[in-house]
Amino acid sequence: DTEVTQTPKHLVMGMTNKKSLKCEQHMGHRAMYWYKQKAKKPPELMFVYSYEKLSINESVPSRFSPECPNSSLLNLHLHALQPEDSALYLCASSQGVAYNEQFFGPGTRLTVL
Amino acid sequence: SQQGEEDPQALSIQEGENATMNCSYKTSINNLQWYRQNSGRGLVHLILIRSNEREKHSGRLRVTLDTSKKSSSLLITASRAADTASYFCATAGGANSKLTFGKGITLSVRP
Repeated sequence: DTEVTQTPKHLVMGMTNKKSLKCEQHMGHRAMYWYKQKAKKPPELMFVYSYEKLSINESVPSRFSPECPNSSLLNLHLHALQPEDSALYLCASSQGVAYNEQFFGPGTRLTVL
Repeated sequence: SQQGEEDPQALSIQEGENATMNCSYKTSINNLQWYRQNSGRGLVHLILIRSNEREKHSGRLRVTLDTSKKSSSLLITASRAADTASYFCATAGGANSKLTFGKGITLSVRP
């Protein structure tokens, strides 16, 4: 299985809601990533997990809370988001964090009303 | 901060023609990677070229790397309508080894 899956595909939420994005991979990769991508822009790195531990947090606001329950799963918990947080959220994985190619999921299109 | 800068920002060609995209970067790298993204979808890894390599091929793709000029090019030969997508170069290097993406090139291949 060489696929990274993400659920849901689309999410609409209000600014007071709490929701979670989920990501799963079964390639045995030990590094997992969250990216945020606005329209016509490159992906922006948010978080990196290496061996289930948070290794990079790119100064992301606390309304985004990542979680890595095990080596195959990555969650992004959302709370009290702002309309400007509307974007495509991409999950990726790689064998390790050391300069490897990354495998991306299809993304979750998030709209914050 | 962005490191890679692709050129041109948009490219429109006829099916069957070759497409050449360029990427420049600023600091030393371990490798440079190219990714493709179809509209609103995830990125697909195309090819990785290491800093000690000068050229690499994969199917219809040819990538070159010139570390003295801090630049790379991606050539897609015999383009197809299905090649229509955004293409990003991404550099890997530095202490934390994260990928830094360029702004991207929009390629349109007309049938």
